[in-house]
Amino acid sequence: AQTVTQSQPEMSVQEAETVTLSCTYDTSENNYYLFWYKQPPSRQMILVIRQEAYKQQNATENRFSVNFQKAAKSFSLKISDSQLGDTAMYFCAFMKHEGIGADGLTFGKGTHLIIQP
Amino acid sequence: DAGVTQSPTHLIKTRGQHVTLRCSPISGHKSVSWYQQVLGQGPQFIFQYYEKEERGRGNFPDRFSARQFPNYSSELNVNALLLGDSALYLCASSLEAGEGYTQYFGPGTRLTVL
Repeated sequence: AQTVTQSQPEMSVQEAETVTLSCTYDTSENNYYLFWYKQPPSRQMILVIRQEAYKQQNATENRFSVNFQKAAKSFSLKISDSQLGDTAMYFCAFMKHEGIGADGLTFGKGTHLIIQP
Repeated sequence: DAGVTQSPTHLIKTRGQHVTLRCSPISGHKSVSWYQQVLGQGPQFIFQYYEKEERGRGNFPDRFSARQFPNYSSELNVNALLLGDSALYLCASSLEAGEGYTQYFGPGTRLTVL
């Protein structure tokens, strides 16, 4: 079974600052996918970024980028030029590349990110 | 394009009752997954359905069941409700099942069991 650990329950930064959220995972799989989802107070879970484990290049989406360290089983999210609208719960999630059967996404407990004006 | 839709938005039930939650996937998506999110926790996987067949099941009791219809919409049923079933139930759809296809989430159904 896979586990995902987010060691920062809450973080607070000033608007326009850069912030990094940590995520580590444990798996015996070699092929898998990693995701960051954002859940604002409205509760809608929104995809932020996705990374395929077989790709060495770190994924980027505008102000969001990841630092994927496969050997260390680490997958951190960097948010540059943070905005008030970035305030939300951020969840790191793991999905294995299954052939038969499905385990769905395995989520961490989340990091509550607060952007201060 | 419409995203994943879920109904109802909120639901209040009493212990022992039965509940049915509904989900319509993004147009063109063939797979639907269900998750339970207890307050303060990350979502936990309940079921995945693809082409009307159950493809995966999480560690939930048999009181939880689901099905997928020919139009790819899905229902989650929970029997003999317990207080601990109070949670946000999230539905997610993806183009296909497995192999890392990204799951897109609906707004959820907030279930309160009294």
